[in-house]
Amino acid sequence: QSVLTQPPSASGTPGQRVTISCSGTSSNIGSNYIYWYQHLPGTAPKLLMYKNDQRPSGVPDRFSGSKSGTSASLDISGLRSEDEADYYCTTWDDSLSGQVFGGGTKLTVL
Amino acid sequence: EVLLLESGGGSVQAGGSLRLSCVASDFTFSAFGLSWVRQAPGNGLQWVSYISGSGATTSYTNSVRGRFTISRDNSKSTLYLQMNSLRVDDTAIYYCARVDRLTSTTGLYWGQGILVTVSS
Repeated sequence: QSVLTQPPSASGTPGQRVTISCSGTSSNIGSNYIYWYQHLPGTAPKLLMYKNDQRPSGVPDRFSGSKSGTSASLDISGLRSEDEADYYCTTWDDSLSGQVFGGGTKLTVL
Repeated sequence: EVLLLESGGGSVQAGGSLRLSCVASDFTFSAFGLSWVRQAPGNGLQWVSYISGSGATTSYTNSVRGRFTISRDNSKSTLYLQMNSLRVDDTAIYYCARVDRLTSTTGLYWGQGILVTVSS
């Protein structure tokens, strides 16, 4: 059972918009920045979003992030086949004194 | 270019030990905290351990506390994870990652990962 809660799966057709949610508590999302990763099996996770809504250089602006209270979300607009991957939210948890991840959301592009 | 390269993985029997290393390049090593993150087969990403830039502060996920020890040698730009009393459920790909300053959360730079297999 992950500390952060994500839907296990999401899907959309090319061009659509998909939102992946991430729910936590006051000790993690509520008091720390959220980060989002895209992960393909056998590769290093790729940072998509840091400090809630900041995109690293090279990440398309089709990806956007937001945070409100103890929840966060990652929006992907103009869905493309190459977006098919696992997506994870993560942040620091002050009560656990450790980093916590969501369980991951498998995105399928139909 | 910032690089992180893990080594030391392999196969070991339950109860055994392994030491993972992660050599870093192209950044001021001592200025950044580092973490180990793992992914067990069929599971999601799991944070394992963190160490501050000076090495003075460490933290562990509950399931490895008392069995794993994180350390670093800033003179060699190398991060370590000493894994003792290994269990079958420690089987995973282990990644080292540089931590973002001020947030203690993994950031942009990750190694490619190293496989640890623990058999019963």
